[in-house]
Amino acid sequence: AQSVTQLGSHVSVSEGALVLLRCNYSSSVPPYLFWYVQYPNQGLQLLLKYTSAATLVKGINGFEAEFKKSETSFHLTKPSAHMSDAAEYFCAVSDGRGGSQGNLIFGKGTKLSVKP
Amino acid sequence: KAGVTQTPRYLIKTRGQQVTLSCSPISGHRSVSWYQQTPGQGLQFLFEYFSETQRNKGNFPGRFSGRQFSNSRSEMNVSTLELGDSALYLCASSLEGLDTEAFFGQGTRLTVV
Repeated sequence: AQSVTQLGSHVSVSEGALVLLRCNYSSSVPPYLFWYVQYPNQGLQLLLKYTSAATLVKGINGFEAEFKKSETSFHLTKPSAHMSDAAEYFCAVSDGRGGSQGNLIFGKGTKLSVKP
Repeated sequence: KAGVTQTPRYLIKTRGQQVTLSCSPISGHRSVSWYQQTPGQGLQFLFEYFSETQRNKGNFPGRFSGRQFSNSRSEMNVSTLELGDSALYLCASSLEGLDTEAFFGQGTRLTVV
């Protein structure tokens, strides 16, 4: 069975500081990994995805993540936080069952606060 | 290109009633999935439909059901509503293939009173 663990339900950083959101996964098959962001009362927006190509993945809004198989991790980073980055972030894993990404297992989410 | 559209956005129902939620996927997407989001349990997979057939199912009771039409639009039904069914229900659509991603709608906020 697959699972995702996000360390830290709340993370607070100062504007301009490094953002690091942690995600560890468990999968018996090569995983497909995703980071999504959710703003209040909104759906989920894809930030980036890993689908077995390059291990360092660049996404939107300056975010990137590195797939580390040995550590079973897929941490999300951004060099410099903006106030607009305040939101909830979800890491998700898929085994590609059925030939699509229609069955995602999500972590519990990390709420990011950005202080001025 | 229009995104995933969910209707209605907000819904209030009484315990014991049933409810139907609707999802229109992005044009050309044949896979539609449903998720339940609650503060306590987080985001949980309900089921996935592809070409009018349920392809995957999460661990939810039989009161939760769905269907998909020939135009890929999908509906989700919850019967005999319980207070614990209050949640944000999210629909996502995707293309076939593994180098793809799920696109989410804004969700339907269901409140059971």
